[in-house]
Amino acid sequence: EAQVTQNPRYLITVTGKKLTVTCSQNMNHEYMSWYRQDPGLGLRQIYYSMNVEVTDKGDVPEGYKVSRKEKRNFPLILESPSPNQTSLYFCASSSELGGGAHGYTFGSGTRLTVV
Amino acid sequence: QQPVQSPQAVILREGEDAVINCSSSKALYSVHWYRQKHGEAPIFLMILLKGGEQKGHDKISASFNEKKQQSSLYLTASQLSYSGTYFCGSHNTDKLIFGTGTRLQVFP
Repeated sequence: EAQVTQNPRYLITVTGKKLTVTCSQNMNHEYMSWYRQDPGLGLRQIYYSMNVEVTDKGDVPEGYKVSRKEKRNFPLILESPSPNQTSLYFCASSSELGGGAHGYTFGSGTRLTVV
Repeated sequence: QQPVQSPQAVILREGEDAVINCSSSKALYSVHWYRQKHGEAPIFLMILLKGGEQKGHDKISASFNEKKQQSSLYLTASQLSYSGTYFCGSHNTDKLIFGTGTRLQVFP
C-alpha cells in the first residue's frame, strides 16, 4: 500500500530533550515536506526537500532541523524542544514539486507535547 | 501569505449545498483542495492547474479563476461523510501554502 509512515503517533517530552520524528514514504517520491498544525493557524510548512541532500526552509523553520540522506526518509529533529513546539506535525510527500495529479500524501500525524 | 478561506465555518443539513472560497494575494500556479477529519491526516481531493479549469467527482467540484487568484469548492447535496475541515493549497514557486481552513459540519 502506498503510504507515508510517521512515528511516533504521540510523544510527550520535557523541555530541552532532543527528539526525532521519523517519516518514511514507499512511493519513490522526490518531494517531501514537514508541516505543523495549530488551532486557528492551519498547516504551516517547516522544511521541505526536493531531492536527496536538498532541503530548504519553509515558513516556520526556527527550532527544527531535517535531513534527507535517502529518498524515502525525511526525519524531523528538534534539538532542544520548547513548549511552543507543542503541536500536531504532519509529513507529506509528492511525486512533483507542485503536487502533480495526485497531490500530496500525508502521514497520520505526530502529536507532540513539550512540558 | 496564507490564502484566505471563507467562510470559516459552515453548518448544513444533509442534502444542502455549500460553497467554500479560497483567495490568494499572490499569483497561483495551481490550487489543491484537501479534506481533514478531526485528528486525521488531510486527504487530497483535487488539483486545478489552469485558470478557468473546473473539476469534480461525485458531488464535489471546484473552479479556479486565475485572474482573480481565487478558487471555489462546491459541495452539492451534502452527505454526513462530508463533515471535516477543508483546506485549499496554493502552489507558487516551490511551496504549497495552505489556507486557513473551513470547518464543515453536516447534520442529519
